[in-house]
Amino acid sequence: DADVTQTPRNRITKTGKRIMLECSQTKGHDRMYWYRQDPGLGLRLIYYSFDVKDINKGEISDGYSVSRQAQAKFSLSLESAIPNQTALYFCATSATTGTGEETQYFGPGTRLLVL
Amino acid sequence: AQTVTQSQPEMSVQEAETVTLSCTYDTSESNYYLFWYKQPPSRQMILVIRQEAYKQQNATENRFSVNFQKAAKSFSLKISDSQLGDTAMYFCAQAGGGSNYKLTFGKGTLLTVNP
Repeated sequence: DADVTQTPRNRITKTGKRIMLECSQTKGHDRMYWYRQDPGLGLRLIYYSFDVKDINKGEISDGYSVSRQAQAKFSLSLESAIPNQTALYFCATSATTGTGEETQYFGPGTRLLVL
Repeated sequence: AQTVTQSQPEMSVQEAETVTLSCTYDTSESNYYLFWYKQPPSRQMILVIRQEAYKQQNATENRFSVNFQKAAKSFSLKISDSQLGDTAMYFCAQAGGGSNYKLTFGKGTLLTVNP
């Protein structure tokens, strides 16, 4: 079974609709992240959370909000979707350890199309 | 601010040959990590190799190795004995340590392995 799961895997929505992308992990990691990937731009950080009570804006947070419902769950919401939010969205997790094991592990991605 | 630059948008190599992908970065952090991720057509982000900046020894993982030049802020990936399954987009990424642990990605290099 996958350690980091994202639902849905694909979504088509209309301009102005509110949608939520969900991420769950079974890795026991405390840190979770949301990224967006656009062709030719690599991945850019939207929001990140280092624990349930710690949520921070990333590079491109405008138009997005997040919720950390539990250590294992981190949801991304688009309050009013617009076409330029069409992209591939990734959730990632990492662990804080004394040995510095800070590798991020990614979910399978959610492809979002806003019409 | 952290920046990561991949100057080769596309590369190709013949099966069984060796190829090197380039990456340069800029950071003011003294403690940081460097990564190469692979994204095949399945779009999954797969960790290829990681390097801690405080380690002078270059990381290796089977056919994958890096040339880490800290003073030059260069972090290239060498793939030996290229295989058709290595065809993918490759992303270089850099993260600061501790509370500043967020990944900054380059724009990627599309590698095609030809039979």
